[in-house]
Amino acid sequence: AQKVTQAQTEISVVEKEDVTLDCVYETRDTTYYLFWYKQPPSGELVFLIRRNSFDEQNEISGRYSWNFQKSTSSFNFTITASQVVDSAVYFCALISSTSYGKLTFGQGTILTVHP
Amino acid sequence: DTAVSQTPKYLVTQMGNDKSIKCEQNLGHDTMYWYKQDSKKFLKIMFSYNNKELIINETVPNRFSPKSPDKAHLNLHINSLELGDSAVYFCASSQETGVNQPQHFGDGTRLSIL
Repeated sequence: AQKVTQAQTEISVVEKEDVTLDCVYETRDTTYYLFWYKQPPSGELVFLIRRNSFDEQNEISGRYSWNFQKSTSSFNFTITASQVVDSAVYFCALISSTSYGKLTFGQGTILTVHP
Repeated sequence: DTAVSQTPKYLVTQMGNDKSIKCEQNLGHDTMYWYKQDSKKFLKIMFSYNNKELIINETVPNRFSPKSPDKAHLNLHINSLELGDSAVYFCASSQETGVNQPQHFGDGTRLSIL
């Protein structure tokens, strides 16, 4: 069985603050992929990043960065210098080699960035 | 050009009715999915089809019947709608049913049962 836990239900920050969204996962498979999706207030789901279980290199894309640590089964997401447009629900998700494409989502973290 | 499109965007109907939600993707993908997002924002897979064949059926009530006329379309028909069916339904597609395939989502259909 697979599980993704996002313990932070809601986070509120002021613009320009850095914020980290936590994600912890469980799977018995050795081959798996982790994803982050963004759901802005308009409701659509936007793919942000994919990371495979064999690649623990951190990734940076503009103000976004991701820290993957297999030792703690975590895949955390940091937004640097947050902006109001970053306000959204963020989902961490997992697919494993035996899940036939089934994405298991975490509960989501609601991020509110205040001006 | 919209990659994964769902219609309608909003659907308001009464308990007991039958309704359908349509999904089409123009990405040339082989696999399509339906997910349900409940009022607490929790997202859970319902079905997946690969090249018109059912791959995943995640213990969904049989009032829900997906239909895939071709690999670019996966429609969701719901019979005898109940209050608990109120949710946002997302269609998605991916190149294949693979562990490394990102899924591209439609904008969702908000279903409200009165």
